[in-house]
Amino acid sequence: QSVLTQPPSASGTPGQRVIISCSGSSSNIAGNPVTWYQQLPGTAPKLLIYSNNQRPSGVPDRFSGSKSGTSASLAISGLQSEDEADYYCAVSDDSLTVIFGGGTKLTVL
Amino acid sequence: QVQLVQSGAEVKKPGASVKVSCKTSGYIFSNFYIHWVRQAPGQGLEWMGKINPSSGTTSYAQTFQGRATMTRDTSTSTVYMDLSGLRSDDTAVYYCARVPGVGTARFDYWGQGTLVTVSS
Repeated sequence: QSVLTQPPSASGTPGQRVIISCSGSSSNIAGNPVTWYQQLPGTAPKLLIYSNNQRPSGVPDRFSGSKSGTSASLAISGLQSEDEADYYCAVSDDSLTVIFGGGTKLTVL
Repeated sequence: QVQLVQSGAEVKKPGASVKVSCKTSGYIFSNFYIHWVRQAPGQGLEWMGKINPSSGTTSYAQTFQGRATMTRDTSTSTVYMDLSGLRSDDTAVYYCARVPGVGTARFDYWGQGTLVTVSS
């Protein structure tokens, strides 16, 4: 059971907008930047969003992140079949320990 | 280009130790922390700890205190992760990843992963 809580699954149809949540606490999300990763089967995680809402170069602007208080969210708009993957939130907490959310499996119907 | 290349798959018996390497290239080795993250089959990501390649200072997740040891070789820009007292639930893919400093979980480059199987 992770300290960061994510829904185990999410789904949407092509073109839809999907939101994945990540719930934490005052000692982790509230005071520290949140990062999101996408992991395709059999591959290493890929950096998707950092510093709550920043996209690395090469990440489509269909992906966006936000944070409010002790929660963060990843939004994927214009859902595509290749977005089917596992998504993880992560944060370095007040003691500089890195915590990952339990992960959300996104299915594109 | 930035690369983190890990050593190959390992099969170990319970109680043994394993040492996984992560050879870096394409950037200044001392400028980025290296973290280790593992993923058991069908499970999520689990942070193990980190090393400052410049000073060699380490920090470990409580779960791995006393069992994991991270070291580095500045002459070859390589980081090592040694895990002792292996158990069957240590079977996982082990990843190294770099981070630009402390206070962030921004892993911008990852190794390809090393499968460690613990079985009698």
